[in-house]
Amino acid sequence: NAGVTQTPKFRVLKTGQSMTLLCAQDMNHEYMYWYRQDPGMGLRLIHYSVGEGTTAKGEVPDGYNVSRLKKQNFLLGLESAAPSQTSVYFCASSYFGNSPLHFGNGTRLTVT
Amino acid sequence: SQQGEEDPQALSIQEGENATMNCSYKTSINNLQWYRQNSGRGLVHLILIRSNEREKHSGRLRVTLDTSKKSSSLLITASRAADTASYFCATDAQGGSEKLVFGKGTKLTVNP
Repeated sequence: NAGVTQTPKFRVLKTGQSMTLLCAQDMNHEYMYWYRQDPGMGLRLIHYSVGEGTTAKGEVPDGYNVSRLKKQNFLLGLESAAPSQTSVYFCASSYFGNSPLHFGNGTRLTVT
Repeated sequence: SQQGEEDPQALSIQEGENATMNCSYKTSINNLQWYRQNSGRGLVHLILIRSNEREKHSGRLRVTLDTSKKSSSLLITASRAADTASYFCATDAQGGSEKLVFGKGTKLTVNP
């Protein structure tokens, strides 16, 4: 039982490049979330999903897209990376909307 | 915008002392959760307290909730060096929100 797994763990991009962050959970959770964590800002919700095939915007969705084609996977895409997207990205999942979240260990992304 | 705000931002204590962290929030909630984050890791759920509960215990942790003041506190008794971490409160919004909103956290250092 791996819980929530994020890949990759680290990545460096140049401005304008694209990439996809993968989140996988093996707990059969319905809800999945992408947060970003910046110094002094806490965690901010980017996008979330309440079930397979659904996505919704969070607090800071601009510049990101997501897909939930399979229940266990939640992908976060950056189409044209910007230095402001330098951050640590966390994926989380839960059974219900306000039940405890299970987090991955994060992806540290640097955009130069 | 942040729903929960922790206080203090940083706290340094000696091993064996108690640590108290506070969280204030703005709108009515269904529940409030506390999480711990060790350096370089994802958040780990500690305890959930519902809006109709006033106090909850889990091992050395005690959480209180005062809905009239829109505040919560997390008490860690007999702290250990291993308790060194950042602690976050997270709140939903009454009405069945599927999103948790996190505060900026309290960084706790327990000195041996």
